Amino acid sequence: QVQLKESGPGLVQPSQTLSLTCTVSGLSLTSNSVSWIRQPPGKGLEWMGVIWSNGGTDYNSAIKSRLSISRDTSKSQVFLKMNSLQTEDTAMYFCARGKYFDYWGQGVMVTVSS
Amino acid sequence: DVVMTQTPVSLPVSLGGQASISCRSSQSLVHSNGNTYLHWYLQKPGQSPQLLIYRVSNRFSGVPDRFSGSGSGTDFTLKISRVEPEDLGDYYCLQSTHFPYTFGAGTKLELK
Repeated sequence: QVQLKESGPGLVQPSQTLSLTCTVSGLSLTSNSVSWIRQPPGKGLEWMGVIWSNGGTDYNSAIKSRLSISRDTSKSQVFLKMNSLQTEDTAMYFCARGKYFDYWGQGVMVTVSS
Repeated sequence: DVVMTQTPVSLPVSLGGQASISCRSSQSLVHSNGNTYLHWYLQKPGQSPQLLIYRVSNRFSGVPDRFSGSGSGTDFTLKISRVEPEDLGDYYCLQSTHFPYTFGAGTKLELK
């Protein structure tokens, strides 16, 4: 069955870089795209970016300058790196499959605080 | 960016009743390939969003037929008939026609 699972540090200091991993199973990254979506506490959802099955990427222009998405197909992992973190980047971070986001990970909570 | 205006913000319902949620986009969601990439999700408290409807009116696997989606162009609706306790939560629409993909602000379905 298709599964996605996010992992990463729960706490990041302001101005530092966030690194998250989405480990997938039951699907191939060379046949599926994976997006990152985030949700600040008590607020709505924001699409951050996608890595396509061919390895190409697209990003939300609002955070494009700070964001990088990459992958390791041999390990079935997708990576998110975002620099210059601020308190407003505190959120639950999700990865999800495909153009319809039909499968989601459980999410990882990231708090930006000193 | 495409703005998704979702209404109402809060929707009190009775169990067994019907609910209707609207999602309007600031521009047409018809892709150049002819498809309309408008989807609906339910997020229950403490959980990840779950796909209900994809491409306007297609129910995802395992989604009860109490859920139905309709609409075209810029105007879309999710209807829930015979509301059950497990239907309560936050509903979001998403457009994945134009970059960046954008979500509606959400509708909280709660008991009257």
